[in-house]
Amino acid sequence: AAGVIQSPRHLIKEKRETATLKCYPIPRHDTVYWYQQGPGQDPQFLISFYEKMQSDKGSIPDRFSAQQFSDYHSELNMSSLELGDSALYFCASSQGAIEGDTYEQYFGPGTRLTVT
Amino acid sequence: AQKITQTQPGMFVQEKEAVTLDCTYDTSDQSYGLFWYKQPSSGEMIFLIYQGSYDEQNATEGRYSLNFQKARKSANLVISASQLGDSAMYFCAMRDTGGFKTIFGAGTRLFVKA
Repeated sequence: AAGVIQSPRHLIKEKRETATLKCYPIPRHDTVYWYQQGPGQDPQFLISFYEKMQSDKGSIPDRFSAQQFSDYHSELNMSSLELGDSALYFCASSQGAIEGDTYEQYFGPGTRLTVT
Repeated sequence: AQKITQTQPGMFVQEKEAVTLDCTYDTSDQSYGLFWYKQPSSGEMIFLIYQGSYDEQNATEGRYSLNFQKARKSANLVISASQLGDSAMYFCAMRDTGGFKTIFGAGTRLFVKA
């Protein structure tokens, strides 16, 4: 079965540089979520998109932005990178959260970002 | 505010035995979903099991079952017949029905001994 695809899998950037992470959801999934997991931490919700519109926002820094495109893939743009941005960034996808039901999220393999 | 609490930072279990990983939650919402994920050392997050707040039956998926006690706000994961490959970090998570934000607990690291 097709899974969530994330690219790149590993990324090394220097402080103050920018980074773009890409996510390709499972076919027919219309909702994409982004999470940040620091070393030894639980995943923290950053932002989500449903049908190409932002559906919820968590603890995403102002330096980060994201969008979902017409083909449902999503990109997380990170500017002015800081050392503390070093983390594993997960994208997850699901069918849309419909009132009265809750779909499970399927996670991609993650992008490991290292800021030096 | 929603909160997930996993009080066991680490657990040991003998191969072939059953183990229970604890999870309690707090929410003011009436309708929500509870999830368990497994994260091996390789880093990927693997969905294990889901329980809806209105589901009367406890969820089961193969060797995984969820002991859901709504009045106590607990959603413990039971793994039967543990295998060496079960050694991993396990996260309990929650999301409101119709919502998008999922919150995670701190996780429990499970070690399965041969």
